[in-house]
Amino acid sequence: AQTVTQSQPEMSVQEAETVTLSCTYDTSESDYYLFWYKQPPSRQMILVIRQEAYKQQNATENRFSVNFQKAAKSFSLKISDSQLGDAAMYFCAYRTPEYGNKLVFGAGTILRVKS
Amino acid sequence: KAGVTQTPRYLIKTRGQQVTLSCSPISGHRSVSWYQQTPGQGLQFLFEYFSETQRNKGNFPGRFSGRQFSNSRSEMNVSTLELGDSALYLCASSLGRSIYEQYFGPGTRLTVT
Repeated sequence: AQTVTQSQPEMSVQEAETVTLSCTYDTSESDYYLFWYKQPPSRQMILVIRQEAYKQQNATENRFSVNFQKAAKSFSLKISDSQLGDAAMYFCAYRTPEYGNKLVFGAGTILRVKS
Repeated sequence: KAGVTQTPRYLIKTRGQQVTLSCSPISGHRSVSWYQQTPGQGLQFLFEYFSETQRNKGNFPGRFSGRQFSNSRSEMNVSTLELGDSALYLCASSLGRSIYEQYFGPGTRLTVT
């Protein structure tokens, strides 16, 4: 069974600083996708970044980047120049084409941004 | 384009009742997936519909059911509500399956008393 683990229940970062959120996953599939979703207090889930397992290059979206270590089954999210609006719950998620659009989520990490 | 809409946004029901939640996907999207979010269990997959057919189902009892209409709108139904069904129910829509992005709605907050 596929599992996603986020070992940091809560993280804090100073505004303008950099923070890294950790995620590990377990799968026997070779074809899969990994995602980071952000859920602010409004509860609207927003896709932050996505990584295809077959791509060696780490995905980047503006201030957000990932460190994808396929052999170690690790997928961390780095947020640079943190802003107050980054404060939210962050979920790491996994999906494999074998199961269509089913997302398997980690437990989430609450990110607090201090001004 | 309008985003994913879910109705109602908030709902209070009594134990033993049934409830129907609705999800309207982004125009042109044919896949709708449902998730339950609770503080204790986190985000759990309920089911996925594509072209009016259930394609995948999570590990939930038969009290949880769903359907999808020809216009891709989806409903989920929970019968014989239990206190533990109190949760945020999220739906996500996608153009298709497996490789496409999923976009989430704002959720329906269900409280069972």
